[in-house]
Amino acid sequence: EVQLLESGGGLVQPGGSLRLSCEVSGFTFSNYAMSWVRQAPGKGLEWVSSISRDDATYHADFVKGRFTVSRDNSKNTLYLQMNSLRAEDTAVYYCTKRPGAATDGTFDYWGQGTLVTVSS
Amino acid sequence: EIVLTQSPGTLSLSPGERATLSCRASHSVHSSFLAWYQQKPGQAPRLLIYGASNRATGIPDRISGSGSGTDFTLAISTLEPEDFAVYYCQQYYASPLTFGGGTKVEIK
Repeated sequence: EVQLLESGGGLVQPGGSLRLSCEVSGFTFSNYAMSWVRQAPGKGLEWVSSISRDDATYHADFVKGRFTVSRDNSKNTLYLQMNSLRAEDTAVYYCTKRPGAATDGTFDYWGQGTLVTVSS
Repeated sequence: EIVLTQSPGTLSLSPGERATLSCRASHSVHSSFLAWYQQKPGQAPRLLIYGASNRATGIPDRISGSGSGTDFTLAISTLEPEDFAVYYCQQYYASPLTFGGGTKVEIK
């Protein structure tokens, strides 16, 4: 059974940093691309960042230069380093699996999400 | 960026009725790289449909997708109690990947 378990969310002040983690099981992590998708309270879904099997990374324009996605295949874990956080980054962040090695395609499995709140 | 517009915003129906949800793209989504997701309150989204019309694993056949180009449809032939949720379309033809704003299917 595919499982994705996020952690690391919480309350942070504007301008602060946070690192999200996503530990996965039930599939061969190193073979698949992964992504982060976020959802602001009461709002829709928004793609944030992706990383391919070969470590190519992609970020949405609104997080470029502030967020960095990475992976540790030895730990079956995906990360999202978030710096210079803004109030508008407040959201539930979902870890998602992609159907293949590249970062195109759907989001075929989702974690339960971790809430990031940016507020003073 | 491809903008996806979903309609209606809210659909009020009774169990047993048919639901038809629309997703319109601002530019053509070639090769039908269009997916649908279902999200229930307090839960993560779940993939329902990929490639515009292919059901994901475990999705019942009362749920179907169709369309091409700029106009796509999700249909639920006979609404079950567990189908009342919010539905999102998503295109994966062009970067950045984008989602529609969602359609809420609520009990009338």
